[in-house]
Amino acid sequence: EPEVTQTPSHQVTQMGQEVILRCVPISNHLYFYWYRQILGQKVEFLVSFYNNEISEKSEIFDDQFSVERPDGSNFTLKIRSTKLEDSAMYFCASSPNGSGEKLFFGSGTQLSVL
Amino acid sequence: KQEVTQIPAALSVPEGENLVLNCSFTDSAIYNLQWFRQDPGKGLTSLLLIQSSQREQTSGRLNASLDKSSGRSTLYIAASQPGDSATYLCAVWDGATNKLIFGTGTLLAVQP
Repeated sequence: EPEVTQTPSHQVTQMGQEVILRCVPISNHLYFYWYRQILGQKVEFLVSFYNNEISEKSEIFDDQFSVERPDGSNFTLKIRSTKLEDSAMYFCASSPNGSGEKLFFGSGTQLSVL
Repeated sequence: KQEVTQIPAALSVPEGENLVLNCSFTDSAIYNLQWFRQDPGKGLTSLLLIQSSQREQTSGRLNASLDKSSGRSTLYIAASQPGDSATYLCAVWDGATNKLIFGTGTLLAVQP
């Protein structure tokens, strides 16, 4: 079965640094998502992306966050100035056609902000 | 606002037992419901997806049911094995917000 690929699997950074989390969605999918899970808490929605623009975002997704599809295959999440509370597992997901479709998740990037 | 709750939060059973995990959601306006498995520190593995028009889905030893009107879903695992030990998450695609909203999870331990 096709997979969503995320790199790196672990990222350690200092508070205030910029990080970029990378994802390669399934090739024929049109909708892309970022979710995160703080240790011991629920998986929570961050942002959805379609047709090269954000379609939905949560209140967590403030000006420190941005997403980009720089080419035909990659989908990135950038955190400009990391905070301690950004430490979490970040999941990328994709779906063929959006609402009501099965979401395929990557294996996640564990971000640790020191 | 859609809230998804899973009961119990944790469950320990002996190997071979059949078990049921419960999921409830507050708003019945959903597109679908997915059950996921999550191993410690790992990603989300999709187990079953039930569309809002469906009542149940089966895959191997897993059977998921959906009662949209009452806001409930169950995941039935037959003949449990130690390898089934993981956290099981349910998630609903919420019609109002157009997002996949996750439950709190059930941590399952199957004792050999």
